[in-house]
Amino acid sequence: GDSVTQMEGPVTLSEEAFLTINCTYTATGYPSLFWYVQYPGEGLQLLLKATKADDKGSNKGFEATYRKETTSFHLEKGSVQVSDSAVYFCALTRNTGTASKLTFGTGTRLQVTL
Amino acid sequence: DGGITQSPKYLFRKEGQNVTLSCEQNLNHDAMYWYRQDPGQGLRLIYYSQIVNDFQKGDIAEGYSVSREKKESFPLTVTSAQKNPTAFYLCASTQGGTDTQYFGPGTRLTVL
Repeated sequence: GDSVTQMEGPVTLSEEAFLTINCTYTATGYPSLFWYVQYPGEGLQLLLKATKADDKGSNKGFEATYRKETTSFHLEKGSVQVSDSAVYFCALTRNTGTASKLTFGTGTRLQVTL
Repeated sequence: DGGITQSPKYLFRKEGQNVTLSCEQNLNHDAMYWYRQDPGQGLRLIYYSQIVNDFQKGDIAEGYSVSREKKESFPLTVTSAQKNPTAFYLCASTQGGTDTQYFGPGTRLTVL
């Protein structure tokens, strides 16, 4: 079946440091790939997505590129801020009729300090 | 504002009691979903519904039940058969034929 593997956290960085959170997936066919972010006590918010190989998703300074050859979708940001502290989830989806079933990684907690 | 609402934010129940979690959306989305989140385990799909009066089991449906009588509402009942119900529950929805899910703020259920 489908699966998503993320690097374990927590990841602790100083403000303005470079961020990479690794994500690899196992799936047949061509799933869409997502990064969601969860702030403490809240639901998930879509951060970015990519729907086909070599697509780059980007939002709020975060980027991720859909790499089919390495089955990866690593999240990067050039300069993190304290406000980026959250849990980040990598996910993939395949459509089933009108529904879209997401498979999530276990999440990576990011802590950014001054 | 359009969005998904879940109520209540915090819920406490005694062991052996059934409890129903509310999920309402005004996005006119066709499909709705329920997920369970436990620490260190990511999110797992409980049930989903593609249209009114139809729903399918997800990966961990045992001990849960749902209904979809209206397009905008998808309540989840945690029954006494659920062995470990304490968790954070998230509801989501998608427009038909699209793959981006929008999430509600969640309900934290604690069974005492």
